[in-house]
Amino acid sequence: NAGVTQTPKFRVLKTGQSMTLLCAQDMNHEYMYWYRQDPGMGLRLIHYSVGEGTTAKGEVPDGYNVSRLKKQNFLLGLESAAPSQTSVYFCASRRDPQGLRTEAFFGQGTRLTVV
Amino acid sequence: AQSVSQHNHHVILSEAASLELGCNYSYGGTVNLFWYVQYPGQHLQLLLKYFSGDPLVKGIKGFEAEFIKSKFSFNLRKPSVQWSDTAEYFCAVNRADGLTFGKGTHLIIQP
Repeated sequence: NAGVTQTPKFRVLKTGQSMTLLCAQDMNHEYMYWYRQDPGMGLRLIHYSVGEGTTAKGEVPDGYNVSRLKKQNFLLGLESAAPSQTSVYFCASRRDPQGLRTEAFFGQGTRLTVV
Repeated sequence: AQSVSQHNHHVILSEAASLELGCNYSYGGTVNLFWYVQYPGQHLQLLLKYFSGDPLVKGIKGFEAEFIKSKFSFNLRKPSVQWSDTAEYFCAVNRADGLTFGKGTHLIIQP
């Protein structure tokens, strides 16, 4: 049982380049999330999805886009990378069909450096 | 808006010392609270959770937390820490659009 899988695990981009981070979960969860983790800032929500075909903005959405074409996948795109987007990105999923009494499961993270 | 405050950003303890990490949240309604742990180079893992009932909840690896509604607190405790407890600890509140995390506490256990 893989849980939540993120690809790639590491990436170095040049300013202005684009890339897509892939998150895949095999637990049939409805909710999926993208967070970024920065030193001293904790985890901040970028975008989230409450089901296939839906997306919504989180706390820090600027510079990112997302898509949820399939229930098991949640893609995070950077159209034109900036050094401020250097961070560790975590994807998470949660079952939550009826409320908030479910935990989130996290992927291993993607360490992105923009030079 | 909900927020989560963790009082200690860096904590250094010796092995066998007792641990208490503070967490306060600001939300007036029903809350679902979590503590997650992140070991060096790894992803977040659930330590324990509180939804309702007994305010003292026990988690993995000997950790426990007490929910005190009147103080809006959910402090994490462990009677005797080990070197392997070195990690970053995050308190979080569940909400419809995702978890709201505190900024984290970096715990270092010295042998």
